[in-house]
Amino acid sequence: AQRVTQPEKLLSVFKGAPVELKCNYSYSGSPELFWYVQYSRQRLQLLLRHISRESIKGFTADLNKGETSFHLKKPFAQEEDSAMYYCALPIQGAQKLVFGQGTRLTINP
Amino acid sequence: DAGITQSPRHKVTETGTPVTLRCHQTENHRYMYWYRQDPGHGLRLIHYSYGVKDTDKGEVSDGYSVSRSKTEDFLLTLESATSSQTSVYFCATQTSGASYSYEQYFGPGTRLTVT
Repeated sequence: AQRVTQPEKLLSVFKGAPVELKCNYSYSGSPELFWYVQYSRQRLQLLLRHISRESIKGFTADLNKGETSFHLKKPFAQEEDSAMYYCALPIQGAQKLVFGQGTRLTINP
Repeated sequence: DAGITQSPRHKVTETGTPVTLRCHQTENHRYMYWYRQDPGHGLRLIHYSYGVKDTDKGEVSDGYSVSRSKTEDFLLTLESATSSQTSVYFCATQTSGASYSYEQYFGPGTRLTVT
């Protein structure tokens, strides 16, 4: 079964420090992966998708098929990055996503 | 924000009572979804719809039913609410087509408490 695992429920780093949110997936094919973010009192929204290889708000994510990972990284964390982050994987053959358990990121001043 | 609204935004109800949550979209998106968000479990799909009158179960569908009589409305019903259904419920939509597939747009959420 397709599955997404985010091993860290909580992650706390200091402003200016690098941050990495881990995401591992189980899927036998070539996956299309996403990171969604939910800021305080805002809606869940798409942060970035692997297929477009973009950098959004300084975040990047590289697909590592060997390690079946799609970790989200930012070299210098900002206080406004504090939020809940979800990694998501499309279900093969269906227009739906499976989400990881989420990681709550807190950036300390 | 995409034109997705949810009503009510907050609700407290008693065990055993029926509850209906409404999701309304103005985006004319084909696909609609209901999720629940719980600490430690993340977002879990309850039911989804791939068109008017076309729905299917998600991973946590027991105790929930849905209906979609119009493109813009997707209703989630708890037939007899239980305390385990206390959660935050999110509606989402997704357009069809190969480009930008799987990008979902979320509503603001409904916080439901079952006492």
